Amino acid sequence: GESVGLHLPTLSVQEGDNSIINCAYSNSASDYFIWYKQESGKGPQFIIDIRSNMDKRQGQRVTVLLNKTVKHLSLQIAATQPGDSAVYFCAENIRSAGNKLTFGGGTRVLVKP
Amino acid sequence: EADIYQTPRYLVIGTGKKITLECSQTMGHDKMYWYQQDPGMELHLIHYSYGVNSTEKGDLSSESTVSRIRTEHFPLTLESARPSHTSQYLCATMNRGDGYTFGSGTRLTVV
Repeated sequence: GESVGLHLPTLSVQEGDNSIINCAYSNSASDYFIWYKQESGKGPQFIIDIRSNMDKRQGQRVTVLLNKTVKHLSLQIAATQPGDSAVYFCAENIRSAGNKLTFGGGTRVLVKP
Repeated sequence: EADIYQTPRYLVIGTGKKITLECSQTMGHDKMYWYQQDPGMELHLIHYSYGVNSTEKGDLSSESTVSRIRTEHFPLTLESARPSHTSQYLCATMNRGDGYTFGSGTRLTVV
């Protein structure tokens, strides 16, 4: 079936280094993708989004890359900080499915001091 | 500041009890969603609503029910709680940019 999945369940990164979190999706009809950050005990928090007509979008310390050819999405976090420690989820919106977001499994990012 | 509120944040309840998880939003969004999430795991859609008097079941089968009598409120009810219902329940609204705004969640434990 349709799915959004992440390659790595846990990513350990040294403080100050860059982090890259990957996500694969299978539905070519998806036209909107979002990255969420979820800290312990909290709901997911929006980080950055990208539409299918774009390849790259930058925010503050974060960049999302979309490769529609291989159905791959990545989130890059520059100069990772202790506050970036969290679980990160990618999600896709398939408008034909009624504007419901489909989430993949999360990747836990652990920032080492 | 979050404009979507969930209560209670934590709930421990005995098997067989009826419970209602509250979700309220002040943004006037029509589309609202309930997700179930086990710790560190992905989110599974259990219910959604496109507006007042609209409710639909999600992708994950759930014994819970929802109602949408007012735009602002989207409560979720379990008529008879069981240990298998132990999980985190997240409420969300869809904003005009097609993304979701989530509440802080209710962590439910059924003993």
